[in-house]
Amino acid sequence: QQQVKQSPQSLIVQKGGIPIINCAYENTAFDYFPWYQQFPGKGPALLIAIRPDVSEKKEGRFTISFNKSAKQFSLHIMDSQPGDSATYFCAASGSGGTSYGKLTFGQGTILTVHP
Amino acid sequence: ETGVTQSPTHLIKTRGQQVTLRCSSQSGHNTVSWYQQALGQGPQFIFQYYREEENGRGNFPPRFSGLQFPNYSSELNVNALELDDSALYLCASSVLLAGAGDTQYFGPGTRLTVL
Repeated sequence: QQQVKQSPQSLIVQKGGIPIINCAYENTAFDYFPWYQQFPGKGPALLIAIRPDVSEKKEGRFTISFNKSAKQFSLHIMDSQPGDSATYFCAASGSGGTSYGKLTFGQGTILTVHP
Repeated sequence: ETGVTQSPTHLIKTRGQQVTLRCSSQSGHNTVSWYQQALGQGPQFIFQYYREEENGRGNFPPRFSGLQFPNYSSELNVNALELDDSALYLCASSVLLAGAGDTQYFGPGTRLTVL
């Protein structure tokens, strides 16, 4: 009930490509969906987040697409650069009940962008 | 505005020992959450502190305990260390707002190794 499933585990693209990372959740109480970027030896850094009242959100080269009925959301990285090579995590939390304020993370996707 | 800071950066302990990890929250934030990140995994929620009280707990045994101080800094204590406690321990701070998702900002983490 609390799981967030993320795919793929790893992804390799060429510079300029558009990597897409997908997540699916089960808990219908989730209403906040952030994406984090993590470099080796560092803490996760918030990239972008979405709430279920919109189906898409863009910030710079990062876009979240959200499908409430399917309970799925995805991250697209436009014009990917070698500096985007990192591990990406999706997460979810709720505004009430037992999931309030507690992030449940996916398993992570290791992205490699070749020059 | 200062970000989330954690100390120490690295720590090596032996099985059965006790450890205390420290976190200073971002300026203006009143909530601290702790997460455990095993190698190659997503962070797992340990517990959250709001106004010096525990405000929710994940699936971790009682030997994981915490404190939050009046200045909103926090400690994570782990007693009777086990080999499986080896992980990156992350602190995240946020402003808890009723009815809203919890945007959490992470510190760099403390790498704990239990031998």
